[in-house]
Amino acid sequence: DTGVSQDPRHKITKRGQNVTFRCDPISEHNRLYWYRQTLGQGPEFLTYFQNEAQLEKSRLLSDRFSAERPKGSFSTLEIQRTEQGDSAMYLCASSTRWGASGGADTQYFGPGTRLTVL
Amino acid sequence: AQKITQTQPGMFVQEKEAVTLDCTYDTSDQSYGLFWYKQPSSGEMIFLIYQGSYDEQNATEGRYSLNFQKARKSANLVISASQLGDSAMYFCAADRGRSGGYNKLIFGAGTRLAVHP
Repeated sequence: DTGVSQDPRHKITKRGQNVTFRCDPISEHNRLYWYRQTLGQGPEFLTYFQNEAQLEKSRLLSDRFSAERPKGSFSTLEIQRTEQGDSAMYLCASSTRWGASGGADTQYFGPGTRLTVL
Repeated sequence: AQKITQTQPGMFVQEKEAVTLDCTYDTSDQSYGLFWYKQPSSGEMIFLIYQGSYDEQNATEGRYSLNFQKARKSANLVISASQLGDSAMYFCAADRGRSGGYNKLIFGAGTRLAVHP
């Protein structure tokens, strides 16, 4: 399977601990996105990478959050000093400028990492 | 700013029947794309269908079709011949479109579809 993969799928941590999530995009995709989804809501945009460059960060991405994509391939999302409000599903998506849907930049999502902060 | 509204928190349909999930959007962009995603209980967002703002024909992908009414700013998803496996959350989303650079998706709150045998 050559889809988007995320690791871990589930993470339980105690408040105040640091956590790091990994996303491996579809191999030929140069665009990578992170979203956060809380219970009962649609995903909300966090940040975007084009190759290794981080081009936009949402206001949701506080200074406790940092994302990297060092070689333009996989990406990591780190949360420092986790809070209970960080509990959510963290979704990664990737795309390429010309996707399968008639040229649309369609984003394909991974299975997500579900974070629970106790 | 873009906003997506899905007014149906939950819908149910009988197996083999068709169902329409509503979506309206609010954008000032001239060029934009509209997407529908399916999210089963496993959590993964599965791409279903795309409609570009300049596309004159309604998009279709197998049993999925998008009823695009630009003047009304609506992009309803029609699922024909519902199957039990269609039970899931469905999200409508919009982006900046082909001329807007990269595509930060704005999602609605979703509609939970239950297919009954």
